[in-house]
Amino acid sequence: KQEVTQIPAALSVPEGENLVLNCSFTDSAIYNLQWFRQDPGKGLTSLLLIQSSQREQTSGRLNASLDKSSGRSTLYIAASQPGDSATYLCAPHSGGGADGLTFGKGTHLIIQP
Amino acid sequence: GAVVSQHPSWVICKSGTSVKIECRSLDFQATTMFWYRQFPKQSLMLMATSNEGSKATYEQGVEKDKFLINHASLTLSTLTVTSAHPEDSSFYICSAMTVSGANVLTFGAGSRLTVL
Repeated sequence: KQEVTQIPAALSVPEGENLVLNCSFTDSAIYNLQWFRQDPGKGLTSLLLIQSSQREQTSGRLNASLDKSSGRSTLYIAASQPGDSATYLCAPHSGGGADGLTFGKGTHLIIQP
Repeated sequence: GAVVSQHPSWVICKSGTSVKIECRSLDFQATTMFWYRQFPKQSLMLMATSNEGSKATYEQGVEKDKFLINHASLTLSTLTVTSAHPEDSSFYICSAMTVSGANVLTFGAGSRLTVL
């Protein structure tokens, strides 16, 4: 059974800093891995999708890396802004279960103005 | 891109009543949709898989008679919480897989249910 751990659970930093959010998973046999953003009381917004054959994906100030063999993914946020404040969820798709996804509990990020 | 719409975004009801939540794929057809529940500060937990034209498949521990799922068309799945109780208060989110699959899901904005 896939298990996902996200570290840190919470992070509060002043704006402008470069951030690293970590995700580890126990079953490395994955199809892909997604990073999502969830604002309070809202649904999920997909940020980046990394296929199992890829090492990283970039979108604007976001960069996600994937080391499938070691069961790790990292989300880098450059030049953080207050609008980046949200909970960030990692979800590897391993085919187990109906939807194939296992969600971590997320990293709750607060960017101070 | 693919868009999934959920309605209502929030609902308050009295204990014992039933509440229906809709999940629609706006610009694509979805043979499979998923329903999740999220309690405060917790992960999303899959409740059931909604299959167009057939019965839903429920995860272990989810009461199928309490959480009724109907997927009557390729663009609409509904979740009905029957005889709701305060412990059913939660954030319910749906997702949809495109017909082509590709192991990519699109999520709705969620529905906040509060049972008094």
